[in-house]
Amino acid sequence: QSALTQPASVSGSPGQSITISCTGTDSDVGNYNFVSWYQQHPGKVPRLMIYQNDIRPSGFSNRFSGSKSGNTASLTISGLQAEDEADYYCCSYAGGSTFVFGTGTKVTVL
Amino acid sequence: EVRLVESGGDVVQPGGSLRLSCAASGFTFSTYYMHWVRQTPGKGLVWLSRINGDGSNTKYADSVRGRFTVSRDNSKNTLYLEMTSLRADDTAFYYCVRDRAEWQLLGAFDWGQGTLVTVSS
Repeated sequence: QSALTQPASVSGSPGQSITISCTGTDSDVGNYNFVSWYQQHPGKVPRLMIYQNDIRPSGFSNRFSGSKSGNTASLTISGLQAEDEADYYCCSYAGGSTFVFGTGTKVTVL
Repeated sequence: EVRLVESGGDVVQPGGSLRLSCAASGFTFSTYYMHWVRQTPGKGLVWLSRINGDGSNTKYADSVRGRFTVSRDNSKNTLYLEMTSLRADDTAFYYCVRDRAEWQLLGAFDWGQGTLVTVSS
């Protein structure tokens, strides 16, 4: 049950697009289509942004999109805005009815 | 509106025990998988355990298996986490989490506000 690997930090200027990677193994990301992404602002509770690799909850901004290829899932934020500055975590089903989170990525808007 | 309210967080000595509770409202509690997730202050999220709707099946992360026990009382719409043999590295915010899909695991989580457990002598 090792944590999924994410870059510690990603930054971009307002209006740019950035992509956060989430790398797992054949036992989690690569074997199931149950990757979700969470946004967490400082001092706040995590919020669901993407589930089942690429599905956005209703009402959530379409500037956020998810994808998966092999053992790596990705979250892309387009049209970066100041309010997107937060920590982002991926999560994957890992078999046996268990889940594993990523190490987390701090997004900075320059 | 889905509402999850944790309680029971406290300061406890190493080797001690603690029980967390999570009061759920705004949905039919018994039809959803529930999880516990923790976060050490300033660090990442760690999935700990899950329980099915009727409480008959549970799973745990390796780090807490044998020390933590998840349970639920559907008549009270309440989720529990019994923690024993607590260690300093169990210090964290503990979140009660609902899996959004009824009757199945989806990994699409709704979160409570968390309760802080501090293990220290």
